Amino acid sequence: GIQVEQSPPDLILQEGANSTLRCNFSDSVNNLQWFHQNPWGQLINLFYIPSGTKQNGRLSATTVATERYSLLYISSSQTTDSGVYFCAVKSNTGKLIFGQGTTLQVKP
Amino acid sequence: TAGITQAPTSQILAAGRSMTLRCTQDMRHNAMYWYRQDLGLGLRLIHYSNTAGTTGKGEVPDGYSVSRANTDDFPLTLASAVPSQTSVYFCASSDRQNTEAFFGQGTRLTVV
Repeated sequence: GIQVEQSPPDLILQEGANSTLRCNFSDSVNNLQWFHQNPWGQLINLFYIPSGTKQNGRLSATTVATERYSLLYISSSQTTDSGVYFCAVKSNTGKLIFGQGTTLQVKP
Repeated sequence: TAGITQAPTSQILAAGRSMTLRCTQDMRHNAMYWYRQDLGLGLRLIHYSNTAGTTGKGEVPDGYSVSRANTDDFPLTLASAVPSQTSVYFCASSDRQNTEAFFGQGTRLTVV
């Protein structure tokens, strides 16, 4: 089946710093999403981005489907950005498969 | 709007007992999914359904069964629970195959 790899697995930032999270996938996908899991366990939709670039405030994402990767950019990080960031891809069979996540800690 | 509702929020279950985790969505989404999340292992797909009347196996289907009798409901059943099924279970849904998926709040299950 399709494999999804995220990097780095863990990231510690000082408040105000920028970061880039990466998601690689092993096969053609029909869509790709980025999620943030907050400290209470809730999964928050960040981007639905099968291709191209999108921006939402301090966050932006780019997916290059032909090269099988996606990037999530966080600028001017805040302590509330802490948590786990997941990417998930959907194969042509309909399965939505998650990467292992990047755990982000933003220190004040 | 309610979106996706999971019940119960948490449960302690004796090993060997059966249990059904409920998931209901009011968005008329075609596709629904069940995941389990264990510490350090991310979310792993248990079963999924692309449309009412059809189901498919995910990455970790053993010990679980699902049914999709209608569009709104996608229950997950543990026929005979074992301690390794202790986990947080998430249900999700999406409108057609290639659109955004949304998640419920999760069910924390402890099998003792």
